[in-house]
Amino acid sequence: DTGVSQNPRHKITKRGQNVTFRCDPISEHNRLYWYRQTLGQGPEFLTYFQNEAQLEKSRLLSDRFSAERPKGSFSTLEIQRTEQGDSAMYLCASSFTTGSTEAFFGQGTRLTVV
Amino acid sequence: GQQLNQSPQSMFIQEGEDVSMNCTSSSIFNTWLWYKQDPGEGPVLLIALYKAGELTSNGRLTAQFGITRKDSFLNISASIPSDVGIYFCAGRTNTDKLIFGTGTRLQVFP
Repeated sequence: DTGVSQNPRHKITKRGQNVTFRCDPISEHNRLYWYRQTLGQGPEFLTYFQNEAQLEKSRLLSDRFSAERPKGSFSTLEIQRTEQGDSAMYLCASSFTTGSTEAFFGQGTRLTVV
Repeated sequence: GQQLNQSPQSMFIQEGEDVSMNCTSSSIFNTWLWYKQDPGEGPVLLIALYKAGELTSNGRLTAQFGITRKDSFLNISASIPSDVGIYFCAGRTNTDKLIFGTGTRLQVFP
């Protein structure tokens, strides 16, 4: 399978704990996006990378959130000191920057903070 | 976060009927994309539009990029039960991020 891969698919954590999610984009896609989706809403932009450079961060991304893409391939999204309001589906997408620039999404990581 | 206006919010139709939904924005976009999402899964790309006025088909799906670049439409002809799901529009900004619509939930009855 050469699609976008996200791990884990589900994560249940206690409030105050740190969590880390991983995204493996489609091979050779240089752009990688993170989105958050709550129930009944469309995906909301969090941040994106071109290769290893983080180009833009949403105001939704508080200081407790950090994303990295150290080698320009896979990316991690870490949430520190989780809160119940962090419960959501976290989606990753990747694309080329030239030519066919459609963004393809992974299956998401559903986070539940209890 | 910013979201585009998508209508209708939900639709309940009979199998075989045609469906239309649209998406509007106060901002201009360079690209419009339409996705379908099943429960617990990520959005799946249906159609991509790159030019104002462009009309593109993918099987029973047809989408149009509005002339003003501020809207887009998706039509589904002869609906079938597997069309059930949530449909999202998304516009690509000039900084290459995607802004999504609020979604249209489609229910198809046999």
